[in-house]
Amino acid sequence: RKEVEQDPGPFNVPEGATVAFNCTYSNSASQSFFWYRQDCRKEPKLLMSVYSSGNEDGRFTAQLNRASQYISLLIRDSKLSDSATYLCVVYNNNDMRFGAGTRLTVKP
Amino acid sequence: NAGVTQTPKFRVLKTGQSMTLLCAQDMNHEYMYWYRQDPGMGLRLIHYSVGEGTTAKGEVPDGYNVSRLKKQNFLLGLESAAPSQTSVYFCASSSSGLIYQETQYFGPGTRLLVL
Repeated sequence: RKEVEQDPGPFNVPEGATVAFNCTYSNSASQSFFWYRQDCRKEPKLLMSVYSSGNEDGRFTAQLNRASQYISLLIRDSKLSDSATYLCVVYNNNDMRFGAGTRLTVKP
Repeated sequence: NAGVTQTPKFRVLKTGQSMTLLCAQDMNHEYMYWYRQDPGMGLRLIHYSVGEGTTAKGEVPDGYNVSRLKKQNFLLGLESAAPSQTSVYFCASSSSGLIYQETQYFGPGTRLLVL
């Protein structure tokens, strides 16, 4: 079993749709959680950190459920520019684990 | 600021050849990392450094060596390249440990093909 698992997708949604991604992790001692965005053939860039109480940044909402060991990302009012691969990242004691990513395509 | 830069951007090697990938950052970050990214696998940590003169192994260190002689540079070496090392290599840096929810800043990547 992979340490961090994501649904690879692809998710194909129309503009304006709401889409949610989940990510599960196996190490219950994991300390920090992140969502990164990666455009095709580009480097990953931080989208948002995920805090225990959940956090929101504009159209993006991240949640953490430690009991069930998953994190989620909700994107509201999808834009064409949201098309990318979304990477779930879990950190514990200098050990970084990335999910393989979920690919999102937003269509007109 | 250039951020994180990587040299070279693309390289083709023959099996058994050696090479060094250079990562440089101008943000005065303490932590630096080398990852490889393969299709369907996500990024995997090869080696990392928590400060000048220190290095440590990550998830997939075999076949690679690293050095951090200067704070701003982190070198990744392949002593004897193998086809299994064909990948995209990303360098990253952060100001402190990620336990503090620090952002990692990534370089543009180096695409390596080993024939």
